[in-house]
Amino acid sequence: AIQLTQSPSSLSASVGDRVTITCRASQGISSALAWYQQKPGKAPKLLIYHASSLESGVPSRFSGSGSGTDFTLTISSLQPEDFATYFCQQFNGYPYTFGQGTKLEIK
Amino acid sequence: EVQLEESGGNLVQPGRSLRLSCAASGFTFDDYAMHWVRQAPGEGLEWVSGISWNSDNTDYADSVQGRFSISRDNASNSLYLQMNSLRPEDTAFYYCAKDMSRFLEWLSPFDYWGQGTLVTVSS
Repeated sequence: AIQLTQSPSSLSASVGDRVTITCRASQGISSALAWYQQKPGKAPKLLIYHASSLESGVPSRFSGSGSGTDFTLTISSLQPEDFATYFCQQFNGYPYTFGQGTKLEIK
Repeated sequence: EVQLEESGGNLVQPGRSLRLSCAASGFTFDDYAMHWVRQAPGEGLEWVSGISWNSDNTDYADSVQGRFSISRDNASNSLYLQMNSLRPEDTAFYYCAKDMSRFLEWLSPFDYWGQGTLVTVSS
């Protein structure tokens, strides 16, 4: 199975900061990568798919980039509602796999 | 509005069985593949199983192959997960998730998830 390694595993930041989370795949997955946001006790929410496509209704401060094995999720200016855990997912082949998550906390 | 509502989670002894259900609304259910994903408390996400729109194709994680069975009833907009021979390591929140396409082999992410139902396997 394709392994996804996210970094950092946790991050403290302030409202207004620019934040970048990375996801590295153990083998090339083209652009078959998605990013999800999950808040405590809630279902994951799709933010980005195909590495850089913004899901409908997701604020434009979220962006994704990368292809092959290295990917990034960037939040250009953190808002209070963005403090959550973020997961990457590869859908290049089954079994679909997820990164271990990055917990974004308020500094 | 797309809604996915899981049910059926419970405390169950090792070796026993449990059936999860997911009621879907707000979209044309039989136009999309569906999946189950689980998350052990405080842990990351693990894809469990997927099923194509017409049930012709199913797939499973190695960890549940031969023990779990996914199915759907398009007439009632429902997704199911039959879990047999449960183990303590199956303890998790189980989410149903909507694929962005009809076929598993089209390889698409999940655009909607339910709130999850908790399965606890313990004696």
